[in-house]
Formats: sequence, structure tokens, C-alpha cells
Amino acid sequence: GENVEQHPSTLSVQEGDSAVIKCTYSDSASNYFPWYKQELGKRPQLIIDIRSNVGEKKDQRIAVTLNKTAKHFSLHITETQPEDSAVYFCAASKDSSASKIIFGSGTRLSIRP
Amino acid sequence: NAGVMQNPRHLVRRRGQEARLRCSPMKGHSHVYWYRQLPEEGLKFMVYLQKENIIDESGMPKERFSAEFPKEGPSILRIQQVVRGDSAAYFCASSPSQGAVTNEKLFFGSGTQLSVL
Repeated sequence: GENVEQHPSTLSVQEGDSAVIKCTYSDSASNYFPWYKQELGKRPQLIIDIRSNVGEKKDQRIAVTLNKTAKHFSLHITETQPEDSAVYFCAASKDSSASKIIFGSGTRLSIRP
Repeated sequence: NAGVMQNPRHLVRRRGQEARLRCSPMKGHSHVYWYRQLPEEGLKFMVYLQKENIIDESGMPKERFSAEFPKEGPSILRIQQVVRGDSAAYFCASSPSQGAVTNEKLFFGSGTQLSVL
């Protein structure tokens, strides 16, 4: 089955700097890669997703890149702000009526003022 | 659209009791997923259900745990004879179905925090 690994487990950056979180996946048939943000005590919320037919997607300060050959995908947050502090999860799945979404272990991002 | 509704938010049980966690998916969603989250850990897949069918239960312990999603009413995650190790946050998520494509944008509920004394 699919296995998703995520690094780093914790990340601290200065406010205004960029943050990068990286994930790898094992199943080459996976073709959908969402990212979720979970604030303390709250539900995970989808912030951006990418499909395998594109290599990059951007939404304001957030961007995701995908390298299908290497089975890597990354989340980039630019001009970080205090409200970006949260746990971020990457995930992978296949477009299939019988496919579950498998999550990485999470990255705790802290923004230093 | 009320979103994914889970109840209760907090559930306290003594060892050996039963825990029943409920999840009502978003309106129009017919796919439900249950995930377990231990403190400082990730979201571990447990089970994926469609109406009246279990599609994938590979992440659910074979004993004491069961899940259902009846034709009418919420999805239920049931844990029998709870032990302290069952203490965790249990999140339900739902997604719509677009033909054969089902994993469009999971929407999570607020979770049920289960504490076993």
C-alpha cells in the first residue's frame, strides 16, 4: 500500500522568511496530493492540492511542486506570518472509487516574531 | 451547508466500556473516512465507507472496532471494551463522489476526543 513520508517533523522560521516542507510517496499510481493545515485543537483543513498532470500550483503565498519521477512533492510558504503557525500534513491517493487518502506524519511549523 | 458534524466532541469512558462515535457527512457526500490521531502524531487511516458498504477497513484493528454507514443516519465508529490505548482524537471526513473519482477534497469534522480512564 501507499506510504507517505514527511520532513521535517518540526520547523521554525523567522517571520517573513520562507518555509519548505517535503514529502515522498511510494505508490507510483498515486495522482492526487493534497496538503492540510491543522491549528491546535482544530480540524485539518485543505489549503492546496495538486494532481499529477501538473508540476506546480500556486495560491497567493502558498505553492506546491510535484516531481512524479522522483515521487517527491513539496509545500512552499513565502513571506511567513504568525498565523501560518500550525501542523501541516501532506497526503497522497489515487483517483479511484476504492482509494483511501494516506497522510504523512505532519510538520509542526512555528513562526518566530 | 453545515459541514461534517461529529458528536460528541469529548467522550470519557472507563476501561471495558463501549464508545460510540457519530459522524454526519456534508450534505451531498456519500463517502466517509475515519482517522485516528494520537497526541503529537499524524492522521492514521482506519476505515473508508460508502452508504451501506465498507470499502476499505485495512487500518482498523480487527478486534473491538467496527464501523457502519447505514442508508439512513450517521456513520458510527464503535469501540467495544475500550482500553487506555484507545484514547485519541477520532476524526471523520467526507467527500463527494464524481463518477469514479471519490477523493476530491476531504472535509473533516471537528473530531471526537476519546479519553479512557
